[in-house]
Amino acid sequence: NAGVTQTPKFQVLKTGQSMTLQCAQDMNHNSMYWYRQDPGMGLRLIYYSASEGTTDKGEVPNGYNVSRLNKREFSLRLESAAPSQTSVYFCASRTGTVNTGELFFGEGSRLTVL
Amino acid sequence: SQKIEQNSEALNIQEGKTATLTCNYTNYSPAYLQWYRQDPGRGPVFLLLIRENEKEKRKERLKVTFDTTLKQSLFHITASQPADSATYLCALDEDYQLIWGAGTKLIIKP
Repeated sequence: NAGVTQTPKFQVLKTGQSMTLQCAQDMNHNSMYWYRQDPGMGLRLIYYSASEGTTDKGEVPNGYNVSRLNKREFSLRLESAAPSQTSVYFCASRTGTVNTGELFFGEGSRLTVL
Repeated sequence: SQKIEQNSEALNIQEGKTATLTCNYTNYSPAYLQWYRQDPGRGPVFLLLIRENEKEKRKERLKVTFDTTLKQSLFHITASQPADSATYLCALDEDYQLIWGAGTKLIIKP
């Protein structure tokens, strides 16, 4: 039982390059989330998926796209990376479809955009 | 919109003492509030959830209080140990998402 798995753990991109962060959970959770964490700031929600087949914007969606591939997998895509997207990205999941209960987080993906 | 304030300065506590961390929010009282622990280079890990109709919640050496009049939650670790050193995050619900504080770094000195 691995919980929430994110890949890659580290990535360096040049401005304008694209990439996809992968996330998979093996807990049969309905809801999945992508956050970014920057120094001195709280976690900020980029996108979330309350259930398979649905996705919604969070607080900071600009420059990102997501895909809920199936119940297990939720990917985050940067189409044209910018230095402002240098951050640590966390995927999380929870069992419910509404905003209650604890979140389970992955270990994070550290992205640097030069 | 709701904002959360946690002490940005690190909190240094002697081993064996009680550590108390503060989480203040600005607007309406949330239905519930959560506390997480985050170690360097790792994702946050859930610790406790307290609902607005609960004044106190305990789990082993951890205790959380929720004062809707003061718009504040306190997180206590009793008999603190060096292994308790970490950053502690609080989060509260707003609509479809959790709003997060920036966290307080706790350092327990032997």
